[in-house]
Amino acid sequence: GQQLNQSPQSMFIQEGEDVSMNCTSSSIFNTWLWYKQDPGEGPVLLIALYKAGELTSNGRLTAQFGITRKDSFLNISASIPSDVGIYFCAGPTQGGSEKLVFGKGTKLTVNP
Amino acid sequence: NAGVMQNPRHLVRRRGQEARLRCSPMKGHSHVYWYRQLPEEGLKFMVYLQKENIIDESGMPKERFSAEFPKEGPSILRIQQVVRGDSAAYFCASSPQYGQYGYTFGSGTRLTVV
Repeated sequence: GQQLNQSPQSMFIQEGEDVSMNCTSSSIFNTWLWYKQDPGEGPVLLIALYKAGELTSNGRLTAQFGITRKDSFLNISASIPSDVGIYFCAGPTQGGSEKLVFGKGTKLTVNP
Repeated sequence: NAGVMQNPRHLVRRRGQEARLRCSPMKGHSHVYWYRQLPEEGLKFMVYLQKENIIDESGMPKERFSAEFPKEGPSILRIQQVVRGDSAAYFCASSPQYGQYGYTFGSGTRLTVV
């Protein structure tokens, strides 16, 4: 089945630093979604990408839909302590299905 | 506007008991999805339902698991004769229409089987 590979698995950064993480697949995706999960909570949608090459921002977050449609990147600028959490990429499975496949996540720790 | 409501937040069951997890979608949302998350893992799709219909249950284990979304009331995920391997966080999500992938997730039910 389709799989999403996220890297890095975890990151330890200082407050104020910029962060970059990515998500790759051997399959083509027509939509890329980035979620953040806080401890003990459900994932919250950060950014949705629908078109190859698309670059979308949400505050300090910027995400890009790769031209090949097999990858996506999420950047966080000027990190703050509340950015701590697990960031997941996700995309709908092939065939027009409503179900999403998720990566295993990138765990972000921000040191004040 | 209430979000997706799941209850209970935490559920402890002994092996062999039944677990019932409830999900009330956001107001106006008629599509419900259930996902399971094991520790240190991403979410795995289980089932997709619309009112009174199961649309896709390809992620549901063939035995002991069932889901429903009745005309009135919340969606229910039912696990019969729970085993230790069922311990996980179960998340429900809802959307207002087909093709809207950016679902809204609930806070989840953490099931522990002892």
